[in-house]
Amino acid sequence: GPKVLQIPSHQIIDMGQMVTLNCDPVSNHLYFYWYKQILGQQMEFLVNFYNGKVMEKSKLFKDQFSVERPDGSYFTLKIQPTALEDSAVYFCASSLNEQYFGPGTRLTVL
Amino acid sequence: GQQVQQSPASLVLQEGENAELQCNFSTSLNSMQWFYQRPGGSLVSLFYNPSGTKHSGRLTSTTVIKERRSSLHISSSQTTDSGTYLCALEPGYQNFYFGKGTSLTVIP
Repeated sequence: GPKVLQIPSHQIIDMGQMVTLNCDPVSNHLYFYWYKQILGQQMEFLVNFYNGKVMEKSKLFKDQFSVERPDGSYFTLKIQPTALEDSAVYFCASSLNEQYFGPGTRLTVL
Repeated sequence: GQQVQQSPASLVLQEGENAELQCNFSTSLNSMQWFYQRPGGSLVSLFYNPSGTKHSGRLTSTTVIKERRSSLHISSSQTTDSGTYLCALEPGYQNFYFGKGTSLTVIP
């Protein structure tokens, strides 16, 4: 089936640093998403993105978070500065209707 | 509040038994999607099911919009079915909210 790629698979950084998570969505998809999942817990919606704009964001999408997809390249989630509670697996997804998920990036903030 | 309620939270089956997983919604839905989350973490889409019944191999999904519920039936379970099953509600268009999942363990 359609594949969503995420780079990197793991990232370890010090608290306060900036991190950018990259997502390569399915080529003809129009909607893009980021989700956060802490180990053993629920998948939490962060944000969705369409036509170059954020459509909806949750309370978890703090001011330190930003997303963009410049000129059809990677869909990115940037966290600046990072905090300890940002440690989680971040999943990217894309859709026309049905969502397809990437394998996730495991972010560890020390 | 919690828009998506999944039950049971966990389930243990003997191989060959059937399973019925439930998803109930507190809001109206445009559609919903069932996923399997592997123990390693990645999600596999099982069904995108706005309404009615869909089949895929040993899996059947039934969504009843006016009752705000969806079910996933697994027949003749296998050990490889073990993992977490998630349902996601699409209340509007292209925004999705997840339940907490059902953790399924199939023992030989």
